[in-house]
Amino acid sequence: SYELTQPPSVSVSPGQTASITCSGDKLGDKYACWYQQKPGQSPAVVIYQDTQRPSGIPERFSASNSGNTATLTISGTQAIDEADYYCQAWDSSTVVFGGGTKLTVL
Amino acid sequence: EVQLLDSGGGLVQPGGSLRLSCAASGFIFSDYAMSWVRQAPGRGLEWVSGMSASSGSTYYADSVKGRFTISRDNSKNTLYLQMNSLRAEDTAVYYCAKGGAILGASYYMDVWGKGTTVTVSS
Repeated sequence: SYELTQPPSVSVSPGQTASITCSGDKLGDKYACWYQQKPGQSPAVVIYQDTQRPSGIPERFSASNSGNTATLTISGTQAIDEADYYCQAWDSSTVVFGGGTKLTVL
Repeated sequence: EVQLLDSGGGLVQPGGSLRLSCAASGFIFSDYAMSWVRQAPGRGLEWVSGMSASSGSTYYADSVKGRFTISRDNSKNTLYLQMNSLRAEDTAVYYCAKGGAILGASYYMDVWGKGTTVTVSS
């Protein structure tokens, strides 16, 4: 079965740029999306179709997808961005999630 | 306002059954594919099942295939998940989620319910 691999944790200082990667075989040939989940809350999409931001998502969230890796980038990271982030793709008639990355802003 | 209200969770013994419901409002339910996603305590997201807008196609994770059945009643704007032969490892918060028109390459979930908790224990 298809697998998406994310680092378990990423740390960033306030105001700096955070990058979270998601790796999978030929992931660049698929669409990737990203969800943010804060403690006690439901997930919310922050990026869809590789690079698209839903309305209401700040411009500091951006993403790319090429080769075997999709990357979520948060520029000027703020304390409110501290959360778990999950990548997701579609493969063989199933939705596949990455294991999730805990972003710590310190 | 677009909303999903998931319900039906509870405590059930191993081997038992449970049916989850997800009441949708604020959008044309019949136009959108829907999914169930679960999250075990302290763990990541796991997609469970999805259904196309027209109810013609259903999809399942290998971990639930043959035990869970997804269905929808477009006249009632409601999504269901019938869960049979439940196991301890099915313990999780179950979310229903709205996707695009079809389940496919560009699928993503843009609206999520608050989740309903299923606990499988004797």
